[in-house]
Amino acid sequence: AQSVTQLGSHVSVSEGALVLLRCNYSSSVPPYLFWYVQYPNQGLQLLLKYTSAATLVKGINGFEAEFKKSETSFHLTKPSAHMSDAAEYFCAVSDRRGSTLGRLYFGRGTQLTVWP
Amino acid sequence: DVKVTQSSRYLVKRTGEKVFLECVQDMDHENMFWYRQDPGLGLRLIYFSYDVKMKEKGDIPEGYSVSREKKERFSLILESASTNQTSMYLCASSSTRTSLGAKNIQYFGAGTRLSVL
Repeated sequence: AQSVTQLGSHVSVSEGALVLLRCNYSSSVPPYLFWYVQYPNQGLQLLLKYTSAATLVKGINGFEAEFKKSETSFHLTKPSAHMSDAAEYFCAVSDRRGSTLGRLYFGRGTQLTVWP
Repeated sequence: DVKVTQSSRYLVKRTGEKVFLECVQDMDHENMFWYRQDPGLGLRLIYFSYDVKMKEKGDIPEGYSVSREKKERFSLILESASTNQTSMYLCASSSTRTSLGAKNIQYFGAGTRLSVL
């Protein structure tokens, strides 16, 4: 089974600072990779997705993530944090083939706090 | 837009009660999923379904069952609720029979926060 590690359960940044949320996956075959965001008392919303095209993926709200096969990483970044970015962020992977096709494996989440 | 609707946002039940959590999606997705979310543990998969009347156990199926009689509806059943089932429950749907850009994207409902007293 796939596994996903998100380094840092809590990240705090000042408004305007760089946001970096880390995600590493375990798979010998590059999977599909996702970042989701969850605002308080809401479900998860897709930020961006990597399939197999460009390694730098742009998402909504100014976020982007870079797929690095050699590091098995898919870190999420945003150049300048905004107060509205405060939320919990989840990294997820899915297999490209096999009986588990369609299932997502989630990391434990990173809570982002943005200070004024 | 894809819409996944969970029947209740908040639910309070007593220990031993039979509890039904309902989820409906409007995108004709073949895949549906039930997760529970607890602080520090992320999302854990309880059950999922690839088609009507089909179900697969996830990582934590004990104490739960599911029903999928129609494609758009996926129900989670707690046969005899216990206090350790107090949690946030999230339903999601997806399709693998779609374009690469949309493949495997899961769409989530707003969640049901269940308290078992």
